[in-house]
Amino acid sequence: SQTIHQWPATLVQPVGSPLSLECTVEGTSNPNLYWYRQAAGRGLQLLFYSVGIGQISSEVPQNLSASRPQDRQFILSSKKLLLSDSGFYLCAWTQSGTGNNSPLHFGNGTRLTVT
Amino acid sequence: QKEVEQNSGPLSVPEGAIASLNCTYSDRGSQSFFWYRQYSGKSPELIMSIYSNGDKEDGRFTAQLNKASQYVSLLIRDSQPSDSATYLCAGGNNRLAFGKGNQVVVIP
Repeated sequence: SQTIHQWPATLVQPVGSPLSLECTVEGTSNPNLYWYRQAAGRGLQLLFYSVGIGQISSEVPQNLSASRPQDRQFILSSKKLLLSDSGFYLCAWTQSGTGNNSPLHFGNGTRLTVT
Repeated sequence: QKEVEQNSGPLSVPEGAIASLNCTYSDRGSQSFFWYRQYSGKSPELIMSIYSNGDKEDGRFTAQLNKASQYVSLLIRDSQPSDSATYLCAGGNNRLAFGKGNQVVVIP
């Protein structure tokens, strides 16, 4: 069966510091991978998605970036965090080649607090 | 207009009652719809998928899809305190969109 791992679970970082969140998927090949953010009391915001190694699409312009160095690894980064980057970051995957017919499966999330 | 909308406020239901949640969508090309449950501080968990008009039942959950009216609903029968959570509706054509969610509180 497929599993998705996301770490760390919680993170407190000062403004201006860098960020690196990592996500890996097991039990499937060439998944579609996603990074979402959920701010307090707000809906899920899609940040990035990837359909393959090195292929990244950005949904919202911001000071975050994403990379996919390996088939089942997805990394969210920032060079300098802002207060507004605080939130609950969720990695998710879907089966490739299924379009929107396949549901998203989420990792456990990382709660980021920027102080 | 947002792609997927959940407009109802928090829903309080007594234990054992039916909780009813609604969701509307704007893109008529949307084919697939999903309901997720999200406990406070946790990530969303898929509970139902529905792809065709009509009802789909899974245990105490029933999802209903009406493509002509562009709405999706979720019924939770015999509500339990463990059903207290936020429920997210998702659907879309080119990209899966999420509603903001409806909080359900089941009162023992």
